[in-house]
Amino acid sequence: DAGVIQSPRHEVTEMGQEVTLRCKPISGHNSLFWYRQTMMRGLELLIYFNNNVPIDDSGMPEDRFSAKMPNASFSTLKIQPSEPRDSAVYFCASSFSHGELFFGEGSRLTVL
Amino acid sequence: SQKIEQNSEALNIQEGKTATLTCNYTNYSPAYLQWYRQDPGRGPVFLLLIRENEKEKRKERLKVTFDTTLKQSLFHITASQPADSATYLCALPFNAGKSTFGDGTTLTVKP
Repeated sequence: DAGVIQSPRHEVTEMGQEVTLRCKPISGHNSLFWYRQTMMRGLELLIYFNNNVPIDDSGMPEDRFSAKMPNASFSTLKIQPSEPRDSAVYFCASSFSHGELFFGEGSRLTVL
Repeated sequence: SQKIEQNSEALNIQEGKTATLTCNYTNYSPAYLQWYRQDPGRGPVFLLLIRENEKEKRKERLKVTFDTTLKQSLFHITASQPADSATYLCALPFNAGKSTFGDGTTLTVKP
């Protein structure tokens, strides 16, 4: 398996623009997680899905953030409108029944 | 509230020595605890999982202990090598299995 695949790896955008991050989990995994990592706050869980259903989005910072998982092989995290404080590395991870997490390589977002 | 603390942000040791990293937690009784390794510019990679009924677990040069009374896990790397230099994160399944991560300890092994 190719592992968890995230795109884009790097995104530079201007404040106010919409950003969409994409994730393909490992086939057969039933849980998908979106994390954000910054120097100040470390690795924070934003939202997680189980069997494509959002279970807990309490970590989503505000309404500008939304996440979807239309099927077992694809998820998106959208920020609209983006702000400079959203600059971070966003990781997608998948697992089978809350076992070990397999992380993607991350999407580094810079909002100017 | 539940909290995870990992000892000092940075740990520097000489090659060949044993590195010991600490993960403390409060206000929680986890069923298990995980350790991950993260290299710069990469996602975290799973290393070991230890369950509450296990005192110790080993994998090659890695050893993890879990003391549920002290609410502490120790992560040891024996015969450390420069290639072991990385950030090590502990994670606990707070809130229905959602993994919450500590801030990590950056280990540097000097030749």
